[in-house]
Amino acid sequence: EVQLVESGGDLVQPGGSLRLSCAVSGFTFSSNWMTWVRQVPGKGLEWVANINRDGSAKYYVDSVKGRFTISRDNAKNSIYLQMNSLIAEDTAVYYCARGGSDTSWYWRNWGQGTLVTVSS
Amino acid sequence: DIQMTQSPSSLSTSVGDRVTITCQASHDINNRLIWYLQKPGKAPKLLIYDASNLESGVPSRFSGSGSGTDFTFTISSLQPEDIGTYYCQQHGNFPITFGQGTRLDIK
Repeated sequence: EVQLVESGGDLVQPGGSLRLSCAVSGFTFSSNWMTWVRQVPGKGLEWVANINRDGSAKYYVDSVKGRFTISRDNAKNSIYLQMNSLIAEDTAVYYCARGGSDTSWYWRNWGQGTLVTVSS
Repeated sequence: DIQMTQSPSSLSTSVGDRVTITCQASHDINNRLIWYLQKPGKAPKLLIYDASNLESGVPSRFSGSGSGTDFTFTISSLQPEDIGTYYCQQHGNFPITFGQGTRLDIK
C-alpha cells in the first residue's frame, strides 16, 4: 500500500523557518518525482514545488522562490520542504504527493497533510 | 500563469441527478486537464486525467470532456458519497494551476 506521511507543521512567527518532512512507503521512491501542494484552510489548492528523481531538478511557484527549498533523500524514502522567511500567506495545509517517473504534473497518491500556521 | 475558472462555485442537487461542472482555461492547454474530488479534512482524490481518462477504480458515472480552453466534468447519476469539493487542474503550462473549486452537496 502506498503511504505518504507528512510531519513538521507547527505555529511559527513571521520571518521564521520550518522544515517539513514526508516519509513514503509502498513504492520505489527513487523512481518517482515528488511534489508539495498547499491549501489555505477553507480555500483552494496551490502547487508549491516539484523535485525530480535524483534531486537534480527543482521547480517552484513564484511566490516561494528564494524562500523555500525542496529536497529529497532517496536512502531515507523522504522528501523535505525547507521554508524560510515565512509570511502569513504561507499559512496552509501542506501535502506531499507522488508524481510520475518522468514528470509530476498530477498526483494519484497524497499524504494527509500537515498544518503550517504563520502568526505572531 | 494560466487562470482556471470553474463554474458553478457551489451546487446543491438531488441523488440520481445529472451534475455538470465546467472549467475554462485562460489559454489553450490542449487536453492537459485533471479533475479531483476533495472531501472535508482529506487530501484530493484523482478522478479524471488528461481531460477524459477515468482513473482506475473510479466509478464510470464520472466522466470528463473537452480540449483547448473549455472542459466539462459530469456525474451521470449523483450518489450520496459524491459530495465534496471538485477541483480542476491544468498542466499544459508551467506553473501548474487549479480552479477555485466547486462545492457539491445534496439537497
